[in-house]
Amino acid sequence: EIVLTQSPGTLSLSPGERATLSCRASQRVSSAYLAWYQQKPGQPPRLLIYSSSKRATGVAARFSGSGSGTDFTLTINRLEPDDFAVYYCLQSDSSPFTFGQGTRLDSK
Amino acid sequence: QVQLLQSGTEVRKPGASVKISCQATGYTLTSYYMQWMRQAPGQGPAWMGQIDPSRGRTDYAQEFQDRVTLTRDTSISTVYLELRGLTPQDTAVYFCARAGPYDAIDYWGQGTLVSVSS
Repeated sequence: EIVLTQSPGTLSLSPGERATLSCRASQRVSSAYLAWYQQKPGQPPRLLIYSSSKRATGVAARFSGSGSGTDFTLTINRLEPDDFAVYYCLQSDSSPFTFGQGTRLDSK
Repeated sequence: QVQLLQSGTEVRKPGASVKISCQATGYTLTSYYMQWMRQAPGQGPAWMGQIDPSRGRTDYAQEFQDRVTLTRDTSISTVYLELRGLTPQDTAVYFCARAGPYDAIDYWGQGTLVSVSS
């Protein structure tokens, strides 16, 4: 099983700042099968990035993904109030699919 | 537009079973695999398994292998998750989600709360 470790656990930033979230895999993950999600309380996760770097439909250009192999990054530029939420990475390269434990993005 | 509509809240006693439905609209069910995840209170999502609605083939996480069954009824564009031998640790919100183009898990159902308590 591929273990995904996200860091930091909590990130406290102010609107307008840049957020950098990390997702590290215990073994190599194909870039085609690494995705990022945003989740707010009481809602299902929302797909932001798939195939490591492709933005999902309707996702603002402020969100970008990068990385390969075992290290992946989600960057959110110019944070807006609506961006404060929990973010998860997911690998669907090999079964069982696994999620990271999440990074909580808090407003400072 | 693509929508996944799940059945409503379920309350069960320990040892019971539950069957949750997920109806797909806005696309052809058999075109894409369907995933099932669950999320316990305060925790991240956990993948439970997937089904190929076209052929009925399934793949389960080992943790749930002995207790879960995924099925589908293509005539009504619906997939089902059945979980047996419920314990309080199975209390969670259960989600279905489509693995769409590029295998991105793109659309999610609204979630079904399953509460297990004596």
